[in-house]
Amino acid sequence: DTEVTQTPKHLVMGMTNKKSLKCEQHMGHRAMYWYKQKAKKPPELMFVYSYEKLSINESVPSRFSPECPNSSLLNLHLHALQPEDSALYLCASSQVTGDTGELFFGEGSRLTVL
Amino acid sequence: AQKVTQAQTEISVVEKEDVTLDCVYETRDTTYYLFWYKQPPSGELVFLIRRNSFDEQNEISGRYSWNFQKSTSSFNFTITASQVVDSAVYFCALSEDMDSGYSTLTFGKGTMLLVSP
Repeated sequence: DTEVTQTPKHLVMGMTNKKSLKCEQHMGHRAMYWYKQKAKKPPELMFVYSYEKLSINESVPSRFSPECPNSSLLNLHLHALQPEDSALYLCASSQVTGDTGELFFGEGSRLTVL
Repeated sequence: AQKVTQAQTEISVVEKEDVTLDCVYETRDTTYYLFWYKQPPSGELVFLIRRNSFDEQNEISGRYSWNFQKSTSSFNFTITASQVVDSAVYFCALSEDMDSGYSTLTFGKGTMLLVSP
């Protein structure tokens, strides 16, 4: 079982809807990430939080709004999305000290925008 | 800039065959980390291995083995006696030193492995 839990697993929304993706981890990791993955493509980094502060925003449109309310939770708020935003959204976490570097990924939330 | 190349888009083998997935990387950093991840149809990226730039020892874990060669900037992955459950997309990834406190992975485009019975 993955130690990074994402909900919902599937989401269908219209372009005028507001929804949120949620991610939770209890491994004590202080870095958390959102990735976007289109079909047959590698994951693309969207946001990185380190110690609950936004460290990287890879020029993501403002219709995607991340939030890190505490060290275990990461949200991605969605508003006024476009059909091309349909993708698998992956959450990940990692340690911030030491030289491990590996990211632990959740199973993803598969988003369809109609 | 960092770059990871997985030249094989798709590989099809029959069960019990050995298969090698190629990975070539580019980086200017002297300290870096290489990874392999497996992504089954369920979507989750499963961590397989991490290797840092100072450790060129090859590694074997069950049917999996990895060959890291800095001289050719390659980090190849071999599955021995493949099984149907090995069918997945495999990503090679590169990360620079984590002084920043987080890891920014550069992924290759992935290799889809299809193992048929």
